[in-house]
Amino acid sequence: SAVISQKPSRDICQRGTSLTIQCQVDSQVTMMFWYRQQPGQSLTLIATANQGSEATYESGFVIDKFPISRPNLTFSTLTVSNMSPEDSSIYLCSAGDNRGNIQYFGAGTRLSVL
Amino acid sequence: GENVEQHPSTLSVQEGDSAVIKCTYSDSASNYFPWYKQELGKGPQLIIDIRSNVGEKKDQRIAVTLNKTAKHFSLHITETQPEDSAVYFCAASGFGTASKLTFGTGTRLQVTL
Repeated sequence: SAVISQKPSRDICQRGTSLTIQCQVDSQVTMMFWYRQQPGQSLTLIATANQGSEATYESGFVIDKFPISRPNLTFSTLTVSNMSPEDSSIYLCSAGDNRGNIQYFGAGTRLSVL
Repeated sequence: GENVEQHPSTLSVQEGDSAVIKCTYSDSASNYFPWYKQELGKGPQLIIDIRSNVGEKKDQRIAVTLNKTAKHFSLHITETQPEDSAVYFCAASGFGTASKLTFGTGTRLQVTL
């Protein structure tokens, strides 16, 4: 299994600012994903982070709000831009097992926007 | 797209009893069904998964069953312990490195002494 490290683990931000979340995997993986989990809710996929090309966003999520980078096979970042209180959530990174579609998750970033 | 429903939303059992969580999915093309456990303040942890060519899979006190005809799958936890208390999520997807997981709404399991 892959070990995923996310930074920061939590943050409190002012509205209108941006936060970049980092995700590091301990091995090279083909697929990395970013999810949002609102308080007490399930996980919603934001986008698939593709190495060497633009991320693939799910319906309701746009690149201007959630720009994603994937410079190599072990690292990705998600930026939450121009934040509002509605962006207060847990943001989770996952890595896909190269043998199939098993996904392993990081501990998440708990974001509060004031 | 895929839609996954999960029941119940909360479940309270006494230590030593069994717990069953059920999920249904909508896309007949889905063929991979993982279960995740999420403890407070942590990310989801994969606890067991099943592929569509298998009807049942067991790992110690945890088992998962799949009925492809009815498009539902279930998680069974036997001899529950307080450390089993967590939120459990089912998910469904196609099989392959680019396949996306669709999650159920979660079940909060409380194991009481």
